[in-house]
Amino acid sequence: NAGVTQTPKFQVLKTGQSMTLQCAQDMNHNSMYWYRQDPGMGLRLIYYSASEGTTDKGEVPNGYNVSRLNKREFSLRLESAAPSQTSVYFCASSDPSGGADTQYFGPGTRLTVL
Amino acid sequence: DAKTTQPPSMDCAEGRAANLPCNHSTISGNEYVYWYRQIHSQGPQYIIHGLKNNETNEMASLIITEDRKSSTLILPHATLRDTAVYYCIVRVIWVNDMRFGAGTRLTVKP
Repeated sequence: NAGVTQTPKFQVLKTGQSMTLQCAQDMNHNSMYWYRQDPGMGLRLIYYSASEGTTDKGEVPNGYNVSRLNKREFSLRLESAAPSQTSVYFCASSDPSGGADTQYFGPGTRLTVL
Repeated sequence: DAKTTQPPSMDCAEGRAANLPCNHSTISGNEYVYWYRQIHSQGPQYIIHGLKNNETNEMASLIITEDRKSSTLILPHATLRDTAVYYCIVRVIWVNDMRFGAGTRLTVKP
């Protein structure tokens, strides 16, 4: 099992450009999440999806949109990138029915907006 | 805001036990204590969680005080590979609201 995979690993954008970050999990988890981590800080939740077809805002949703394409895939879109969105983006998944509700994280996408 | 307070950094000698404290004085009765760690720039990794009883797994032990206002994560025999940022998180299980603070940067030294 690959666990949680993210593409791309690195990306540089110019202000105003758009892009989509991709995330996929092969653990048959119902819940998926997108976090961002700024230098020296902890992770902050952007959006989450409790199940296929549902999405909800987290702590810092402004400037982002998400799509839960199917049970495996959860994408994050930046419509008009801003320098304040320079960050490392982590995707995670979990199975709340599994007792511990442990979140499994991907390796991250390092995004720089110039 | 994170509901926990952790020291920003700690050192530990290789082979010794690492004891990482966490204060969560406003914890509610239905909130669990979770610990994750982040090695270098990788995604966070789950370590352990508990409600009120002490817990142990293959990675670590979690000691929660009787009043549940603080806890300690214990790595019994720290190795260089345990150097990481450790996050203590309190959350209601199955609710999608996991708030990470700044964590404790643990450095294991030879």
